[in-house]
Amino acid sequence: SAVISQKPSRDICQRGTSLTIQCQVDSQVTMMFWYRQQPGQSLTLIATANQGSEATYESGFVIDKFPISRPNLTFSTLTVSNMSPEDSSIYLCSVGRGDYEQYFGPGTRLTVT
Amino acid sequence: TQLLEQSPQFLSIQEGENLTVYCNSSSVFSSLQWYRQEPGEGPVLLVTVVTGGEVKKLKRLTFQFGDARKDSSLHITAAQTGDTGLYLCAGACLYTNAGKSTFGDGTTLTVKP
Repeated sequence: SAVISQKPSRDICQRGTSLTIQCQVDSQVTMMFWYRQQPGQSLTLIATANQGSEATYESGFVIDKFPISRPNLTFSTLTVSNMSPEDSSIYLCSVGRGDYEQYFGPGTRLTVT
Repeated sequence: TQLLEQSPQFLSIQEGENLTVYCNSSSVFSSLQWYRQEPGEGPVLLVTVVTGGEVKKLKRLTFQFGDARKDSSLHITAAQTGDTGLYLCAGACLYTNAGKSTFGDGTTLTVKP
């Protein structure tokens, strides 16, 4: 397993601003992922954070809107840029282990006003 | 695109009752995970199944992977209020999706005292 922390746990932001979410893992991991989730609904994968190279984004998500950094094997950040109310959501980071198991952080609840 | 359909979407039962949640797909998966998520937290891994026909038990929870590895079920015996949460299945294929999982649309379980 892995212990994952995220900061901030929640935030309320004004439209047009940006927020950077941090994800810290207690051990080195190869695979790190960023998801978005509406309360009570399933997870939507935003991107895979690759160490030493650019993140791999899913259809519908672009680097200009969701820039991701992965400076080492224990840390990643996701920035939500030029926010609008539609970006209000829960953002989760996760790490992958054998047999495609994932361990998730507690999430960041973002509200854009 | 691999799709996972969960049923039912919502389930509300009394404490002590039994229930089954289903996860179905037309795709074959190398492995399948079940997660439980409580409000304000990230999903927590419950189990991984990898072999067709496999059955795993976790206390009052029984997980089964279909013979063809396209579907799975989660059965809870004598549900307790602590079982309340969002249940998510997730499948991954060794040969597609580059190590990423596809998540089902979730089943929200409420167990009433």
